[in-house]
Amino acid sequence: DAGVTQSPTHLIKTRGQQVTLRCSPISGHKSVSWYQQVLGQGPQFIFQYYEKEERGRGNFPDRFSARQFPNYSSELNVNALLLGDSALYLCASSYRSGTEAFFGQGTRLTVV
Amino acid sequence: ELKVEQNPLFLSMQEGKNYTIYCNYSTTSDRLYWYRQDPGKSLESLFVLLSNGAVKQEGRLMASLDTKARLSTLHITAAVHDLSATYFCAVDNYGGSQGNLIFGKGTKLSVKP
Repeated sequence: DAGVTQSPTHLIKTRGQQVTLRCSPISGHKSVSWYQQVLGQGPQFIFQYYEKEERGRGNFPDRFSARQFPNYSSELNVNALLLGDSALYLCASSYRSGTEAFFGQGTRLTVV
Repeated sequence: ELKVEQNPLFLSMQEGKNYTIYCNYSTTSDRLYWYRQDPGKSLESLFVLLSNGAVKQEGRLMASLDTKARLSTLHITAAVHDLSATYFCAVDNYGGSQGNLIFGKGTKLSVKP
């Protein structure tokens, strides 16, 4: 069975640009969460979606947005990129809210 | 606000030695996870601890959970170089957005010959 897949794996963007990251959850999983991991830190929660509805939002600015599609895949959008947005973005899927989360390989975003 | 603290943040061990990583959290939760992360890689699930007194073992690693003390430990027995990685504990944030995890800062473990 395929695990959580994220695309792209690496991305370089310029300050002020916009970026879209994609995540496909494990088959049968209906919950997708997004985390940002800055180098040397633990992952920080950005969003959670369950059954296509936003169920939670972390302490991130409105430049960050996300959505979940009918097939439970998800996109994370970041507008007006800042240097500080450079990080590893992790997607996690779980069967439903509160069950074990499995992480994808991440998207390494570099903003220059 | 749920906070998760790990210590130590850095750990340099010799092969063959034992050591324990500690994870404290600030509010009630009965679900705790341990993850391993290799440099530049994603998070690999090690243990899921779901109740007070839970103990799980895999190879040279053993994790336990004391929900009354709000403490989990990850014990390393007879360390080997392959265990070098960063280890994170994470707690379910029931008080906030249900289902999201609050992570500690991680413990960077280096096992030297």
